[in-house]
Amino acid sequence: NAGVTQTPKFQVLKTGQSMTLQCAQDMNHNSMYWYRQDPGMGLRLIYYSASEGTTDKGEVPNGYNVSRLNKREFSLRLESAAPSQTSVYFCASSVPSGRETQYFGPGTRLLVL
Amino acid sequence: QKEVEQDPGPLSVPEGAIVSLNCTYSNSAFQYFMWYRQYSRKGPELLMYTYSSGNKEDGRFTAQVDKSSKYISLFIRDSQPSDSATYLCASSTGANSKLTFGKGITLSVRP
Repeated sequence: NAGVTQTPKFQVLKTGQSMTLQCAQDMNHNSMYWYRQDPGMGLRLIYYSASEGTTDKGEVPNGYNVSRLNKREFSLRLESAAPSQTSVYFCASSVPSGRETQYFGPGTRLLVL
Repeated sequence: QKEVEQDPGPLSVPEGAIVSLNCTYSNSAFQYFMWYRQYSRKGPELLMYTYSSGNKEDGRFTAQVDKSSKYISLFIRDSQPSDSATYLCASSTGANSKLTFGKGITLSVRP
C-alpha cells in the first residue's frame, strides 16, 4: 500500500515549456486535490476532484489544467510554465465523509527558469 | 483576511518544553479541525483531528478547539528534537471536500 505517489520528484523547466505532474493513490479514495506550497503562503488549493469525472477550481487555478484520468489518477498540467509557478506541488486524496482528512503525497519540487 | 490565520513563527524551544501552537478562524461554518505535521522536504501528515469544541489528547499531543472564540490550539508536552517540523492547522465545513489551511509554523526543538 503506497498511499499517494507523485512523479517526478524534481523538475527544472524553462519559461514557456509545458509539463504534466502525475499523482496516483491506491486507497480507493473518491476525492483528490492539487496544492502548491510557497514560503510564507502555506498550502493553496489549485484544483480538486470530488469524484471521478468531476473537477473544480480551487484558490489559485490560473495557469493550470487538471485531468481526473480514473479513480486512482489525477494529473496537473502546466501548459506554458512561468517563473511564478516555481513551487512545491502536493497531491492529496480523501474519502469525503465529513471529516475530510486528507492524505498527502511526497511532493514535486518545480523550478521554472 | 484569510479564513484561517496562524502565528507565523518560527518558534525555537529547548527539549522538554511545553509548546503551544495557535490558530484562529473566521468561518463559523467550520466544524472539523485538524493539525498536520510536515517534516522538511516531506508531505504533510495528519497529526490530530477534532470535531466540535473541547480537548483531544494523543500521547504528548493535545488539540483544543474553542468555537466560541474561534480558536484552535495544539499543545506538545515534553517536546523532543524529533518534534522539529512545520505544523499546519486546517479546518473544514464538512459540506464539501475542501480544507482551509493556515500558513504553518516552523518549530525547532533544541537538544
